Amino acid sequence: YELTQPPSVSVSPGQTARITCSGDTLPNQYTYWYQQKPGQAPVLLIYKDIERPSGIPERFSGSTSGTTVTLTISGVQAEDEADYYCHSADSSVTYSVFGGGTKLTVL
Amino acid sequence: QVTLRESGPALVKPKQTLTLTCTFSGFSLTTSKMCVAWIRQPPGKALEWLALIDWDDDKYYKSSLKTRLTISKDTSKNQVVLKMTNMDPLDTATYYCARTSQTTGDAFDVWGQGTLVTVSS
Repeated sequence: YELTQPPSVSVSPGQTARITCSGDTLPNQYTYWYQQKPGQAPVLLIYKDIERPSGIPERFSGSTSGTTVTLTISGVQAEDEADYYCHSADSSVTYSVFGGGTKLTVL
Repeated sequence: QVTLRESGPALVKPKQTLTLTCTFSGFSLTTSKMCVAWIRQPPGKALEWLALIDWDDDKYYKSSLKTRLTISKDTSKNQVVLKMTNMDPLDTATYYCARTSQTTGDAFDVWGQGTLVTVSS
């Protein structure tokens, strides 16, 4: 199965960025979000659709609606410029898959 | 503190077998719901999940690569090993190992720094 993300999203500092991830099986599975900056390993931002690991700023939030899940970054900062990946897992299918990634540009 | 570190050859020739080792600390792969996975990322491209092994020694593979992959663990050494046969230049990528835990479900909550593998003659 596949997860579809927009290749790029652009936003000005202080505004809200929304990055979507679509997949037919998402209503039945949890979704996870990662941030990856150049030359670094990904960092977990959101787990189980809406939960934030400790240490992740509150401006990062997750939501779901049917076959689409959304990562929302409120009050975007320059340091949020990065690639963002959604991820979902279903042991009855192919176990795990990542979306194609979205490059967030802070204007 | 949970850490994972990948090790293996930086360069392999086409048709060779790649062996990567993930050495971890700060957790045990015998703990219920604990898993370690391998994920790769070709230069400039997206993340790609490859394989996962769980605390109960169950193994899962990306379907399109299943015939080429073998994942195993050595709990006494705190290591997970990935073997990939018949390497091709298209397999050139940074290879990461990452952990899942009971708290975060199937999320990869801690990652290694990655190791770049180049496939070239």
